[in-house]
Amino acid sequence: GAVVSQHPSWVICKSGTSVKIECRSLDFQATTMFWYRQFPKQSLMLMATSNEGSKATYEQGVEKDKFLINHASLTLSTLTVTSAHPEDSSFYICSAHEPGTGDTGELFFGEGSRLTVL
Amino acid sequence: GQNIDQPTEMTATEGAIVQINCTYQTSGFNGLFWYQQHAGEAPTFLSYNVLDGLEEKGRFSSFLSRSKGYSYLLLKELQMKDSASYLCAFMDSNYQLIWGAGTKLIIKP
Repeated sequence: GAVVSQHPSWVICKSGTSVKIECRSLDFQATTMFWYRQFPKQSLMLMATSNEGSKATYEQGVEKDKFLINHASLTLSTLTVTSAHPEDSSFYICSAHEPGTGDTGELFFGEGSRLTVL
Repeated sequence: GQNIDQPTEMTATEGAIVQINCTYQTSGFNGLFWYQQHAGEAPTFLSYNVLDGLEEKGRFSSFLSRSKGYSYLLLKELQMKDSASYLCAFMDSNYQLIWGAGTKLIIKP
């Protein structure tokens, strides 16, 4: 199956700093990627849909100025958590659909990035 | 409106069979997914049903009834490594995935 890779897997930062998380599709081109956040013992919450070459589409309640998404190429989307605070500590996961299947194919997930803000 | 519901936690014995149910309500439907998620890891795909009936894949099977808004994931010959959370999600008319909260499955020896 398709491979999606995320980096870093773990990051600890001080409150007020910014953190960038990368999501790469290793063996296919992804015009669309999805960013999720998952708090402990809760389900995945879609934060935004990242569109290559255009602005991301954010879900209601997600601050676009705080969670900056850039999808500059067909294989890379980045999520930057700006001025991070302890409440931003969470598990962030990206995903992309199986190539050639549009929106209906299997979703492939990155490994996830666990952010801890001190 | 849209909603999706699955049990919070289930316990089963190694070697046994367990069925995890998922019910949903939506006006537009483009399929139902089951994912497995081990603690601290990303979800991995298990199955996709868009038509009514049973899809079998090794020890795992998934069933869908669109008229009842109901799906289940059936796990046979349970192994300790099957201890994980199982997430169901349906795809709505906008091709957006709506996720359940997940069912934590605990396997006991």
